[in-house]
Amino acid sequence: DAGVTQSPTHLIKTRGQQVTLRCSPKSGHDTVSWYQQALGQGPQFIFQYYEEEERQRGNFPDRFSGHQFPNYSSELNVNALLLGDSALYLCASSSGTSGSVASNEQFFGPGTRLTVL
Amino acid sequence: GENVEQHPSTLSVQEGDSAVIKCTYSDSASNYFPWYKQELGKGPQLIIDIRSNVGEKKDQRIAVTLNKTAKHFSLHITETQPEDSAVYFCAASRGTYKYIFGTGTRLKVLA
Repeated sequence: DAGVTQSPTHLIKTRGQQVTLRCSPKSGHDTVSWYQQALGQGPQFIFQYYEEEERQRGNFPDRFSGHQFPNYSSELNVNALLLGDSALYLCASSSGTSGSVASNEQFFGPGTRLTVL
Repeated sequence: GENVEQHPSTLSVQEGDSAVIKCTYSDSASNYFPWYKQELGKGPQLIIDIRSNVGEKKDQRIAVTLNKTAKHFSLHITETQPEDSAVYFCAASRGTYKYIFGTGTRLKVLA
């Protein structure tokens, strides 16, 4: 089991550009959550995808959007990049089946380090 | 709004001593409390968790306690080793949804 994988590992963009980050969930998981982790801070929830729909969203502007594919993999898109978007972007997968005892557990990938210049 | 406070922000202990990290949550509907360890350049790794129907859980050298009335939960690491050095995050959640993370504790275990 490869666990949660993310690509790319690192990315450098300039202000105003757009970026797409990718995530493949752990085998058997159907739910993907995205978090932004600024340097020295805890992860901040961006949104969660389940059954190809956004199920919940944190306090992030519409510049942040996502998608989930039928194979449960997911993309995070950020438009009109700002310097403040520089961060580690983490993807976490879990089982979204309601009532499952294990469904609370989220397993994180290694993250994508985005630098905006 | 929903918030998790975590203390201390840094903690240095001698190898073999115990370490305690404390968190307080604001959302009384939270029912799941995981702890993560994050090493430099890596994603957070789940080390232990506790659900709201349990007051304490232990896994070898690691234990977590939960006081629902006070909305406090704590991580206890006994017999610390140099490889325990990392940043530790607590989080609170309702069910299968978003985690609210604390601000992290940098633990240094001195050999």
